[in-house]
Amino acid sequence: GAVVSQHPSRVICKSGTSVKIECRSLDFQATTMFWYRQFPKQSLMLMATSNEGSKATYEQGVEKDKFLINHASLTLSTLTVTSAHPEDSSFYICSAKTGTGTDTQYFGPGTRLTVL
Amino acid sequence: GQNIDQPTEMTATEGAIVQINCTYQTSGFNGLFWYQQHAGEAPTFLSYNVLDGLEEKGRFSSFLSRSKGYSYLLLKELQMKDSASYLCAAVRSTGFQKLVFGTGTRLLVSP
Repeated sequence: GAVVSQHPSRVICKSGTSVKIECRSLDFQATTMFWYRQFPKQSLMLMATSNEGSKATYEQGVEKDKFLINHASLTLSTLTVTSAHPEDSSFYICSAKTGTGTDTQYFGPGTRLTVL
Repeated sequence: GQNIDQPTEMTATEGAIVQINCTYQTSGFNGLFWYQQHAGEAPTFLSYNVLDGLEEKGRFSSFLSRSKGYSYLLLKELQMKDSASYLCAAVRSTGFQKLVFGTGTRLLVSP
C-alpha cells in the first residue's frame, strides 16, 4: 500500500517551454501533497504544499507563477514548470499523505528535468 | 529558524553497526523521520519518532531526544545494499505538518 507514482520519470525540454509533471497516489486518497526539488548531492527542498480543492501554499523564494500547482482530485496533483530555463534543471519529487496530521509522507519516484 | 545537521559521509564494512546522528533546531517541532534514498531514486520511509526513546524495526533502530534536539539512526548487520543516503527530516507543525530535511548522510558499505 501507499504507492505514489510520477510521470514522466525523465523529461528533456528546450528553454522557454513548459513542462507538466503528474503525481498520483495509487492506492490511497491524498488530502495533502508536497512538491520538492533536489539538486545533485543536496537534500530535498520543499517548494509547495498542495491541498485538494484549494490553492497551493508556496515556500519563501518559490515563484508561484513559474511553478503552477493544481490538486484537482484526492489522487492527482500536477506541477507545471512554465517558461523553463536551464537553472530549473533538477530532480522534482512529490509526496503524499492521507491526513492533515503527522502521517508519513510517501514519495513518488521523482522526475528528472533537463532544460537545454 | 530551521536547521538540521548530519554528517556528510560515513563509511562502514559489511556486517558492522553504524550510527548516523542528526541534530535539529526546528520551530514547532512535532517529530522526526528517517528516510533512505538511493542515488536517482525517491526517498523511502524508514522510521518516525515523536516521543523520546528508541524505536526498533528489524536491523534499523531510531532514537530521539527532544530535550537535546538529537536523533540517531542505527543500522545493524550492514549489507552492501545499505549503501545509500540517509535523510533526517524534522516535522514542523505549521498546519500542514511540513518536513524540513537535512542534507543527508551518504553511507558507503564496503566488503
